[in-house]
Amino acid sequence: NAGVTQTPKFRILKIGQSMTLQCTQDMNHNYMYWYRQDPGMGLKLIYYSVGAGITDKGEVPNGYNVSRSTTEDFPLRLELAAPSQTSVYFCASSYPGTANQPQHFGDGTRLSIL
Amino acid sequence: LAKTTQPISMDSYEGQEVNITCSHNNIATNDYITWYQQFPSQGPRFIIQGYKTKVTNEVASLFIPADRKSSTLSLPRVSLSDTAVYYCLVGDGQAGTALIFGKGTTLSVSS
Repeated sequence: NAGVTQTPKFRILKIGQSMTLQCTQDMNHNYMYWYRQDPGMGLKLIYYSVGAGITDKGEVPNGYNVSRSTTEDFPLRLELAAPSQTSVYFCASSYPGTANQPQHFGDGTRLSIL
Repeated sequence: LAKTTQPISMDSYEGQEVNITCSHNNIATNDYITWYQQFPSQGPRFIIQGYKTKVTNEVASLFIPADRKSSTLSLPRVSLSDTAVYYCLVGDGQAGTALIFGKGTTLSVSS
């Protein structure tokens, strides 16, 4: 059981470049999330999705886009990369329902914008 | 959203019991309290969740007083491998509110 898989694990981008961070889960979870974590800080929600075809903004969505065409995949797109987007990006998934259904996290993508 | 406050850091020695307290004065009726653990270079990992009183699993206990304005994560007999950041989160499970991760508590366990 792979859980939540993120690719790539590391990436260096130049300012102005774009890229897509991939996230896939094999647990048939409806909910999926993208977070970023800056050094020494907690996680901040970028975007989330409650199911295929449905996405919504989180706390820090500017500079990012997402899509959810399947239950399994939730890619995060960075357009016009900026140094402020240097961070570790985590994808997570969970079942819907009452209470805080435990979120399952991937191991992150470490992104540097130079 | 209920905001949480927890100590920035704690130190302990192997074999000791560690209690990390989290304050959440504005917790709502539908909110649950969830704790996550994060090791360096890894994503957070669910530890335990509760609504009231006491919850225990194989790795930790969670104590929640009647007013639910605080909670305490208890780690029995910690080892070096328990060195990590621990996050206390409060929410009702709705995806839009998701989880608000603060800075967490950095627990350092020494031998």
